Amino acid sequence: DIQMTQSPSTLSASVGDRVTITCRASQSINSWLAWYQQKPGKAPKLLIYKASSLESGVPSRFSGSGSGTEFTLTISSLQPDDFTTYYCQQYHRYSPYSFGQGTKVEIK
Amino acid sequence: EVQLVESGGDLIQPGGSLRLSCAASGFTVSSNYMGWVRQAPGKGLEWVSFISGGGSTDYADSVKGRFTISRDNSKNTLYFQMNSLRVEDTAVYYCGKILSDSNGWYQFDHWGQGTLVTVSS
Repeated sequence: DIQMTQSPSTLSASVGDRVTITCRASQSINSWLAWYQQKPGKAPKLLIYKASSLESGVPSRFSGSGSGTEFTLTISSLQPDDFTTYYCQQYHRYSPYSFGQGTKVEIK
Repeated sequence: EVQLVESGGDLIQPGGSLRLSCAASGFTVSSNYMGWVRQAPGKGLEWVSFISGGGSTDYADSVKGRFTISRDNSKNTLYFQMNSLRVEDTAVYYCGKILSDSNGWYQFDHWGQGTLVTVSS
C-alpha cells in the first residue's frame, strides 16, 4: 500500500505570508493526488485535484504542484480563513486510498 | 445541488453492531462511486471503504471482514453495516461521493457532515 507523508505537521505563519506544505508518496502516484482543507468540526473540503487542478469555487491563492512522489500545496497570501488543517490524499488506481497525517496552519 | 446527510451514529458497546446511513440528493448513488472515511478524535483522516457504480467494493484492512458497504437504489442511500465493533473504531464517519468516469475513480468531491460512532463500555 502507498504511504503518504506530509510535512510539516504544524506550520506557524502570519496573514499575508506565502506558505508551502509538502506531501511525499512512498511510490509513484503520477498526478493522482488531492488536497483538502478541514475546519474543526466540519467535513473536509476539496481544494486541488490531479495534483494541480483547482476545484471550482476555490480561491486562486491556493495552488498545487508536483508529480511522481513529491507534491506541494502553496497558499500565496495567507488569509484569516486559511488557518486550519490540510490533508493530502492519493488515489492511485492500484492502491487503496490513503491520506497524509495532516498539516495544521496556525497563527504565529 | 449535491447533498449527503449521514445518520445512525451512536454510543455502542464493544462487540456490538451499528448501521450508518448516508442519504443522497442531487445525484444518483447507484451511478457513482461512493465511500466512507473516518476520523478518530483529534486524529487524521482514514479511508475505510468504497463501492463502485457496478457494485464492486473495497475495504481498509482495519475493517475488512467486520464492516459492509451497501446501497439502496430506491432510496438513493448508502449504508455502512459495522459489526464486531472495537474501541478503536470510535470516530466521526463521513460518507463521500467519489468523482469517477469510464477510466477510473478519483478524489472525493462531496462530503457529508459526518456522524459520530463511540465504542465504549
